[in-house]
Amino acid sequence: DTAVSQTPKYLVTQMGNDKSIKCEQNLGHDTMYWYKQDSKKFLKIMFSYNNKELIINETVPNRFSPKSPDKAHLNLHINSLELGDSAVYFCASSSHGPTNEKLFFGSGTQLSVL
Amino acid sequence: DAKTTQPNSMESNEEEPVHLPCNHSTISGTDYIHWYRQLPSQGPEYVIHGLTSNVNNRMASLAIAEDRKSSTLILHRATLRDAAVYYCILVEYGNKLVFGAGTILRVKS
Repeated sequence: DTAVSQTPKYLVTQMGNDKSIKCEQNLGHDTMYWYKQDSKKFLKIMFSYNNKELIINETVPNRFSPKSPDKAHLNLHINSLELGDSAVYFCASSSHGPTNEKLFFGSGTQLSVL
Repeated sequence: DAKTTQPNSMESNEEEPVHLPCNHSTISGTDYIHWYRQLPSQGPEYVIHGLTSNVNNRMASLAIAEDRKSSTLILHRATLRDAAVYYCILVEYGNKLVFGAGTILRVKS
């Protein structure tokens, strides 16, 4: 069983569309994250949720809205997609915060906005 | 966020040990040192972490300088499957993982 799974793996869409990326973890973790990896390969945290509560919200356009229906799921909804949103998005989870805990990452969703 | 400095790239021969250095001269007393790696087309993967003492696990060893201003990730016998980007990250208590540029490790057969 995959510990952290994301769907879809690839997402190609037109500018202006709205799309969602789903993430599920079966590790029983309390904390989940979304990271974005741009074309220069830098990984930047976007959001972090702990027990369905938002605890980290970096400077991300409000077109990006995370939703956590339960602590095993953290979905990312993106409105009005722009060319600059093209990137690989990674979901991750940890049992508590990242300080003394390891993060488990999904395999990523490659988003291409045309 | 506390900053780390790593070489852009390193090369190793298969079956030989690899020492990946990381400088973190501004580290504070409560910062943990984490290492992750990212294989091509995959998500980052946890390798090891420590606070003050050297650490060993099945993947690698982490050697931390006495003043904690630098650390070294040691892969004891590099394989082709170890070719990846290796990230050295400082994590403050309760804070987030902030990835830098990392070191691209190439392994030659």
